[in-house]
Amino acid sequence: NAGVTQTPKFQVLKTGQSMTLQCAQDMNHEYMSWYRQDPGMGLRLIHYSVGAGITDQGEVPNGYNVSRSTTEDFPLRLLSAAPSQTSVYFCASSYSTQSKNYGYTFGSGTRLTVV
Amino acid sequence: AQKITQTQPGMFVQEKEAVTLDCTYDTSDPSYGLFWYKQPSSGEMIFLIYQGSYDQQNATEGRYSLNFQKARKSANLVISASQLGDSAMYFCAMREWGSNTGKLIFGQGTTLQVKP
Repeated sequence: NAGVTQTPKFQVLKTGQSMTLQCAQDMNHEYMSWYRQDPGMGLRLIHYSVGAGITDQGEVPNGYNVSRSTTEDFPLRLLSAAPSQTSVYFCASSYSTQSKNYGYTFGSGTRLTVV
Repeated sequence: AQKITQTQPGMFVQEKEAVTLDCTYDTSDPSYGLFWYKQPSSGEMIFLIYQGSYDQQNATEGRYSLNFQKARKSANLVISASQLGDSAMYFCAMREWGSNTGKLIFGQGTTLQVKP
């Protein structure tokens, strides 16, 4: 099925560990983004990409790295996990233009706990 | 700068009644789009409705309609004939088409509870 696939769905890390959250889409969307969702704060943009090889920082980029080597994949790396990074992470993708599909398609989310 | 504000952390509505969820926004881009998403307790983000800044008419999708008041920079979601399944978190979001960054910025969300 077409859509955005995020893995893993759940993860527990120890402080200081590193890990990569995977995100893949098969809709040939140009735009991809990573968000974190914390209670009472909505979804905050971490990093985004307008195409392969192009990434930029969002509202809360500290502690995270991204790369976009292909149109399909947009992994999010936590370099040294901290308890403040405990959150639910969403990956999303979209077309670049005001096409018939205006909205972003979201992955199912990754619930990350850092202890 | 791009900004979305939802001032109602929580709302209650009686089943079968209509409810309005508020959303105000700020942007300097004349070309933008406003989105509403629903997030049920299961966690997935469900796209509900879209309004473009140049659209002449308010958007409607089934029981959802968007009350778009451009001069007041508001884009309120109206849910008619509420159902128990409408209980969820609702997010308003905005995308500036002119900037071509694809950034979708969200408000803080409103939790809606539908009472039987």
